[in-house]
Amino acid sequence: GAVVSQHPSWVICKSGTSVKIECRSLDFQATTMFWYRQFPKQSLMLMATSNEGSKATYEQGVEKDKFLINHASLTLSTLTVTSAHPEDSSFYICSAPSNYGYTFGSGTRLTVV
Amino acid sequence: GIQVEQSPPDLILQEGANSTLRCNFSDSVNNLQWFHQNPWGQLINLFYIPSGTKQNGRLSATTVATERYSLLYISSSQTTDSGVYFCAPTGNQFYFGTGTSLTVIP
Repeated sequence: GAVVSQHPSWVICKSGTSVKIECRSLDFQATTMFWYRQFPKQSLMLMATSNEGSKATYEQGVEKDKFLINHASLTLSTLTVTSAHPEDSSFYICSAPSNYGYTFGSGTRLTVV
Repeated sequence: GIQVEQSPPDLILQEGANSTLRCNFSDSVNNLQWFHQNPWGQLINLFYIPSGTKQNGRLSATTVATERYSLLYISSSQTTDSGVYFCAPTGNQFYFGTGTSLTVIP
């Protein structure tokens, strides 16, 4: 089946620093990658959609200058949380469509202190 | 966008019991998936089911697209089934339901 590898699994960073989260499709080409955010005990909220070689499309209310998304190749998409603040602490997860439906990364738990 | 409602929101089962989780959606969809999110946050794809019925071990799912609902059946529940179950219909994007939080107690 299709696999999306997401790293890191968890990260703790200081306020004001930036954190990069990577999602790699291991055995298929991910022309599209969806990025989600999940607060505790809540559902997944779509943040943005990235397409290889073009600018990401952000959902309403998501700051594109804060959440930088890059999809430079067919197997790698990255989300960078810039100038992180404690309110950015959350669970971030990526997903890509494949022949087996939508495949999700294992998620990244970000804690900003 | 598509509105997705799942019921019940919370469910506690004795090990060995059966249960049915429901997902209602507000509009026509191209596809629908059921996921299990384990306590560590990982999403496991259970079913890719735009219509009809599929079974995988103790789990089965039925989607009636014309009536805009899907059901997930869990039989002989085990403690490892605990977690949150999401349904996610797909229109022009992926929509997540509110989830059913399942706790199976020994």
